[in-house]
Amino acid sequence: DAGVIQSPRHEVTEMGQEVTLRCKPISGHNSLFWYRQTMMRGLELLIYFNNNVPIDDSGMPEDRFSAKMPNASFSTLKIQPSEPRDSAVYFCASSSDRGFEQYFGPGTRLTVT
Amino acid sequence: SQQGEEDPQALSIQEGENATMNCSYKTSINNLQWYRQNSGRGLVHLILIRSNEREKHSGRLRVTLDTSKKSSSLLITASRAADTASYFCAFFGNEKLTFGTGTRLTIIP
Repeated sequence: DAGVIQSPRHEVTEMGQEVTLRCKPISGHNSLFWYRQTMMRGLELLIYFNNNVPIDDSGMPEDRFSAKMPNASFSTLKIQPSEPRDSAVYFCASSSDRGFEQYFGPGTRLTVT
Repeated sequence: SQQGEEDPQALSIQEGENATMNCSYKTSINNLQWYRQNSGRGLVHLILIRSNEREKHSGRLRVTLDTSKKSSSLLITASRAADTASYFCAFFGNEKLTFGTGTRLTIIP
């Protein structure tokens, strides 16, 4: 298996633009997680899906953030409009169950200028 | 805050020495996991210890769990330069996996 795939790896955009991050989880995993990592706040869970259904989105910072999982092999995290404080590394992870080991993707480094 | 606390925040040791990192948490847990993150990369799962276990080994890794003190430790024996990374504990409780603040480990050749 190729592991968790994220795209793009790097994204530089201007404030106010829409940003879409993509994730392909490991085949057979039914739990998918989006995290954000910054020096100041560490690793934060944004949202968690189980069987394609959002279970816990309490970590989503505000309405500018939205996430979807239309099928078991694809998820998106969208920021609209983006702001400089959204600059961070965004990770997608998947697991066979929410309490089990998580497999992380390589991350998307987002810079909003 | 529900976030786990790790101690120390940073640790530098000579190659060949043992490294010990500690993690504390506040909630009841089902399991506790340790992850490694190399610079610029995603986290990699190292080991999982269940709440009814007290100690677990995997290669050069030894993890202990004391649920009465709500704490865990990760011991890396005979450290190597390749062990240089950040190490995070993550505890599964209240249906959620919560990550600690991490320990930055540097192995000096």
